This record gives sequence, structure tokens and C-alpha cells, in this order.
Amino acid sequence: GEKVEQHESTLSVREGDSAVINCTYTDTASSYFPWYKQEAGKSLHFVIDIRSNVDRKQSQRLIVLLDKKAKRFSLHITATQPEDSAIYFCAASNSNNRIFFGDGTQLVVKP
Amino acid sequence: DMKVTQMPRYLIKRMGENVLLECGQDMSHETMYWYRQDPGLGLQLIYISYDVDSNSEGDIPKGYRVSRKKREHFSLILDSAKTNQTSVYFCASTRDWGTYEQYFGPGTRLTVL
Repeated sequence: GEKVEQHESTLSVREGDSAVINCTYTDTASSYFPWYKQEAGKSLHFVIDIRSNVDRKQSQRLIVLLDKKAKRFSLHITATQPEDSAIYFCAASNSNNRIFFGDGTQLVVKP
Repeated sequence: DMKVTQMPRYLIKRMGENVLLECGQDMSHETMYWYRQDPGLGLQLIYISYDVDSNSEGDIPKGYRVSRKKREHFSLILDSAKTNQTSVYFCASTRDWGTYEQYFGPGTRLTVL
């Protein structure tokens, strides 16, 4: 089955800098790649996704890049703010009813 | 208002007791999920439900069962709870087959003593 790996378990950046979280996946059939954010003590909520028919998507300060050849995708957060501090989960789905999550990256934005 | 609710939010049980966790959604989503989250282990999928009475095991179904009699409700049952089932449990729902965003409930923190 699919296996999603998040390469950074923790990431610390200065406020205003960019943060990059990298993920890889194994199943070439995966076609949908969402990202979720979990603030301390709270639930997960969706932040952005990308589908395999594009290689870049941007929503305000969030940019997702997809490299299908390398089976790699990444979340870029530009101009980071303290409220960006959270755990970020990447995920992959092959439209076969399952979504596979990475183990999460703890992002700390220092003032 | 698109929402997933979970009840109860906090629960303390003794080993061997039965546990019922309830989840509801108001979006008429066909697919619903139960996950557990333990520190450092990310999300582990327990069960998936594709619609009423159409459920499938996830990665860690042992010790759990589910019930879905109405599209908007999905229950997780622990018969004779064990201490290693202490965890935070999340319910989620999505339209279609997982290629759309999942909406997560607020979670239930279960402690089994």
C-alpha cells in the first residue's frame, strides 16, 4: 500500500522567513495530495491540496509543489507568522477510498 | 454550516468497561472515518464507512467495531476497553472516495484506567 513520509519531524523558523515541509510517497497511482494543520490541543483542519494534473498551487501564503517523477511534494509557507505554529500533516490518496497520512511536522515560528 | 461533531469530548473508563464514541456530520457525506492519534504516531486509521451498513477495516481494527445506521452518524465501540486504547480519537467525513478534503471532528480524549 501507499506510504507517505514526512522528512522533517520538527522545523523552527524565524517570523517572516519561509518554511518548507517535504513529503514523499510510494504509490504512483496517488493523485490527490492534501495538507492538514493541527494547532496545539485541537483537531486537524484542511489547509491546501494539489492534484496530479498540476505541479504547483498557491493559496495566499501557502504554496504546494508536486514532483510526480520523484514522487515528492512540499508545502511552502511564506512570510511565516506566529499563528502558523502547528503540526502539519501531508497526505496522499489514490481515489480508492483511502487517504494515507505522514507522521506530521511540528513547525515552530519564533518571534 | 459544515460540521463534524463528536461526543463525548472527554471520557474516563476502567479496563473491561464498554465504550461508545459517537460522531455526527451535517454534510450528507457518504464516507466517514475513525482515527486514533497517539503522540509521535500520527493518525492511525481504525475503520472506514462508505455509507449506511457499509464498513471496512482500516489499519488497526482489532479491539474496535463500528456502527453506521444513518448516513449522518458513525459510532465507534470498544467492547471491554484496554489500557492501550487510551488515546485521542478523531472522526472525519468526506464526499466521494477520499479525493476531497476531510472534515475532522474535535476529537474525544479517552483514558482507560
